[in-house]
Amino acid sequence: AQSVTQLGSHVSVSEGALVLLRCNYSSSVPPYLFWYVQYPNQGLQLLLKYTTGATLVKGINGFEAEFKKSETSFHLTKPSAHMSDAAEYFCAVTNSGYSTLTFGKGTMLLVSP
Amino acid sequence: DTEVTQTPKHLVMGMTNKKSLKCEQHMGHRAMYWYKQKAKKPPELMFVYSYEKLSINESVPSRFSPECPNSSLLNLHLHALQPEDSALYLCASSQPGQGFSGQYFGPGTRLTVT
Repeated sequence: AQSVTQLGSHVSVSEGALVLLRCNYSSSVPPYLFWYVQYPNQGLQLLLKYTTGATLVKGINGFEAEFKKSETSFHLTKPSAHMSDAAEYFCAVTNSGYSTLTFGKGTMLLVSP
Repeated sequence: DTEVTQTPKHLVMGMTNKKSLKCEQHMGHRAMYWYKQKAKKPPELMFVYSYEKLSINESVPSRFSPECPNSSLLNLHLHALQPEDSALYLCASSQPGQGFSGQYFGPGTRLTVT
């Protein structure tokens, strides 16, 4: 069965600082991995995805993530945080049939001036 | 067009009411999903339709009844709900199988049961 662990339910950074949100996964098949962002009272927006090919993937809003098979990780980074990045972030992995997602518990990113 | 739309945005209903949530996508996706999300929690999968057939029902109470009239539309019929059913209900769509490249979510319906 697939699972996702997001380390840290809350991460606080200052504006302009590096953002690092951690995600580790477990999968019985080659994983497809995703990061989603959710702003208050909104749906989930797909930030970026890894399916096959290049292990460093770039997404929207300056975010990127690197798939590291040996570490079973897919950490999300952004070089310089903006106030507008404050939101809930979810890491997700596909099931073995590549039709549903298993979500991590989420990490709330707080950005201070 | 990468948009999934949901109506209504907000819904308040009593425990004896019958109401429906609607979802629409025009991305040509053949899988559609209903999720329930409580505050500060990840979305919980309720139902999956694949090629207009119900493929997954995550042991959801029968007071929730999904319907997929065609490949673009998904409904969730609500009847005799409980206050604990108050939540954000999210619809999503994707291509199933090896064409899967992520689920695309709508903005959600905020449901309050009084």
